[in-house]
Amino acid sequence: QKEVEQDPGPLSVPEGAIVSLNCTYSNSAFQYFMWYRQYSRKGPELLMYTYSSGNKEDGRFTAQVDKSSKYISLFIRDSQPSDSATYLCAIGGHNTGNQFYFGTGTSLTVIP
Amino acid sequence: EAGVTQFPSHSVIEKGQTVTLRCDPISGHDNLYWYRRVMGKEIKFLLHFVKESKQDESGMPNNRFLAERTGGTYSTLKVQPAELEDSGVYFCASSQAGLAGNEQFFGPGTRLTVL
Repeated sequence: QKEVEQDPGPLSVPEGAIVSLNCTYSNSAFQYFMWYRQYSRKGPELLMYTYSSGNKEDGRFTAQVDKSSKYISLFIRDSQPSDSATYLCAIGGHNTGNQFYFGTGTSLTVIP
Repeated sequence: EAGVTQFPSHSVIEKGQTVTLRCDPISGHDNLYWYRRVMGKEIKFLLHFVKESKQDESGMPNNRFLAERTGGTYSTLKVQPAELEDSGVYFCASSQAGLAGNEQFFGPGTRLTVL
């Protein structure tokens, strides 16, 4: 079983739509939850970082962590064409050797 | 402030040759990480330096891979001899603090193609 599972998509939405991206994970010891955005031929760029459970909001982006279900989400409100990218979740914790485990990424296209 | 830089951006070599990848972390970041993404797969951890010391190298695939960080600044990742399955994108990341989950800033990656 993979440490992290992420639907690769692709996901295509009209401009202005609300986008929901999700990952599930297997190890209940994970404590750190991150979302990265990666444009083509670029390195991953950190979008959101959450420790333990709960929600975190930053502008149009909201990250949610549900540790009881081992499920994390990233919501993008009022999506823009510039949001078109691959979104990667990354999860880790002290008990897992300080490693991050990445999802395979979800490719998102926002259509003007 | 300059971000994480990696050199070269792209390398094409033949099986059996040697390649050395370089990473320059953000200035002041003691923690440096190497990751690899094989086509169609997820990004996978290779190893973690704290300054010049290897903190965790459990992700290194085999002894054909050698990472160094002399002086605790830039790092190199050497593959010798390269095999076909080594093809992929090698990312370097750096962070300020040593705790897992601290914000890691990624470089643009080196795309390695082994023919």
